[in-house]
Amino acid sequence: EIVLTQSPGTLSLSPGERATLSCRASQSVSSEYFAWYRQKAGQAPRLLIYAASNRATGIPDRFSGSGSGTDFTLTISRLEPEDFAVYYCQQYGNGNSPRYSFGQGTRLEI
Amino acid sequence: EVQLSESGGGLVRPGGSLRLSCEASGFTFGIFTMSWVRQAPGKGLEWVSVLDNSGEVTYYADSVKGRFTISRDNSRNAMFLQMNSLRTDDTAVYFCARIGISGIFDIWGQGTTLTVSS
Repeated sequence: EIVLTQSPGTLSLSPGERATLSCRASQSVSSEYFAWYRQKAGQAPRLLIYAASNRATGIPDRFSGSGSGTDFTLTISRLEPEDFAVYYCQQYGNGNSPRYSFGQGTRLEI
Repeated sequence: EVQLSESGGGLVRPGGSLRLSCEASGFTFGIFTMSWVRQAPGKGLEWVSVLDNSGEVTYYADSVKGRFTISRDNSRNAMFLQMNSLRTDDTAVYFCARIGISGIFDIWGQGTTLTVSS
């Protein structure tokens, strides 16, 4: 089973600053099956990035994703107040049986 | 508007059973693979189960295999999760989610809370 490890666990920044969040996989994964989500307090997660670098519908261009193989990055160019939340990476493995793995999350706080 | 809405959560004794429901609207439910994802209090996200569009192919996380059963009724735009032999570590918010392209969860419901406690 592929394990996703996110870093840092908590990131303290201010509005307007740039945020860089990392996700490392225990073995190589296909970029096609890699995504990022944002979860605001008390809400459901929301898809931000799919296929490692594609913004989901309605996601502003301050969000960008990159990476391949075992190392992936989510960058938020200029933090807005609503961006202070928890972010999860996720990958899909389509072997003999499907497996959906999430990272443990990065908390982005003011 | 594309929406998912869960219901059926509550307080259950260890060893008990509960059935969660997820109602879909705003999209052609019958063509999508659907899933349940849970989140224990203060913890991260854990995939629970997935069901193909026909309802015939199902998969489960090892933590719930043999205890939970996922199903759907495409005529009612609904998905279900029958949970038996519940344990305290099943306590979580349960989200239903639509599986989009490439195995990503593109639409989420607001969640329903299960508490397993004596």
